[in-house]
Amino acid sequence: QIQLVQSGPELKKPGESLKISCKASGYIFTDYAMQWVKQAPGKGLQYMGWINTQTGKPTYADDFKERFVFSLETSASTAYLQINNLKKEDTATYFCVRGTDYWGQGVMVTVSS
Amino acid sequence: DVVMTQTPVSLSVSLGGQVSISCRSSQSLVHSNGNTYLSWFLQKPGQSPQLLIYRVSNRFSGISDKFSGRGSGTDFTLKISRVEPDDLGVYYCGQGTQYPPTFGGGTKLELK
Repeated sequence: QIQLVQSGPELKKPGESLKISCKASGYIFTDYAMQWVKQAPGKGLQYMGWINTQTGKPTYADDFKERFVFSLETSASTAYLQINNLKKEDTATYFCVRGTDYWGQGVMVTVSS
Repeated sequence: DVVMTQTPVSLSVSLGGQVSISCRSSQSLVHSNGNTYLSWFLQKPGQSPQLLIYRVSNRFSGISDKFSGRGSGTDFTLKISRVEPDDLGVYYCGQGTQYPPTFGGGTKLELK
């Protein structure tokens, strides 16, 4: 069955960096784009952008053009989200999404001094 | 960006009852290819969102026919029949017609 399994929760300090993984299984990884969605605590869903899994080209939504990096390890069917220079407002759960249909379980990121 | 407005913000229902959720977009969601990329998602407590309906009225794999979607242009509705405890959570509409994709603010479905 199709699964997106994300890495575990993160607790970071402002200014630090982190890298979240999203491992796909049950389908051909390069057949579908991978998208990323942010959900701040108690809030709705915010689209971050997507990465073309065939070319590796990322596209970022306006609010995520600085400090955010999408990448791939195609041989491992894994997508990554890196966030640099973390800020308190990055505290949220981050989801990877295959196309628009299958969602990872989410990674809760807490940024606190 | 396309603004998606969902109403109501919260909804109380009795078990076995029926509810409707409205979603309106600030621009037409009809793509130049003729498709309308409007989806509905359910986020159960403590879980990630799951796709229920895509392209207005198509149920995703494994989704019960108690969920039905309709609408066109800028005005869309999700109807949930025979509500049971497993249907409770926050429902979101989302559009993929125009970049970037955007979501409604959510409708929380609770038991009366």
